[in-house]
Amino acid sequence: AQSVTQPDIHITVSEGASLELRCNYSYGATPYLFWYVQSPGQGLQLLLKYFSGDTLVQGIKGFEAEFKRSQSSFNLRKPSVHWSDAAEYFCAVGPSYNTDKLIFGTGTRLQVFP
Amino acid sequence: EPEVTQTPSHQVTQMGQEVILRCVPISNHLYFYWYRQILGQKVEFLVSFYNNEISEKSEIFDDQFSVERPDGSNFTLKIRSTKLEDSAMYFCASTLRPSTDTQYFGPGTRLTVL
Repeated sequence: AQSVTQPDIHITVSEGASLELRCNYSYGATPYLFWYVQSPGQGLQLLLKYFSGDTLVQGIKGFEAEFKRSQSSFNLRKPSVHWSDAAEYFCAVGPSYNTDKLIFGTGTRLQVFP
Repeated sequence: EPEVTQTPSHQVTQMGQEVILRCVPISNHLYFYWYRQILGQKVEFLVSFYNNEISEKSEIFDDQFSVERPDGSNFTLKIRSTKLEDSAMYFCASTLRPSTDTQYFGPGTRLTVL
């Protein structure tokens, strides 16, 4: 069965520090992978996505993610975090040949200290 | 930029009452979805809808739930007799083509069942 694991429930970083949020997936074929961000009281905003091609994808707000098939990972990175990046980050996988649905991880809450 | 909208932003209801959550998907999109997020938990797929019928539903989507596209713009989720455990954030999403395009999410409706 398809699944997504985000091992870090809560991460705290200082403003200006680098960031890496981990995401591992279990999937039977080449996955479509997504990172969404949810600010408090807000909906889910797409940060970036991987469908095929270049394994390093660039997203909005200076984020990037790298698809590593050998490690079943799609980690999200940002070289220098801003206070406004404090939010919940969700990794998701899907759709596949027999389903449209996205399967989400449990999320990582990012806290940024000045 | 086009966006998915949802109303109301917050709905409070008594257990056993019917609620209707409303969504206006992006105008040229053809595939519509409902997801929910119980507080502190992951986002879960409920149902997908295409060509005026349900294309997939999860185990959560039992007989108490129904979806409808009553006109060319709205997409609704009805819960016939709410339970305490239906309290959650409900997200609507839409996409033009699920195999190649992103699912765009609305801001969500927070449903509180008392």
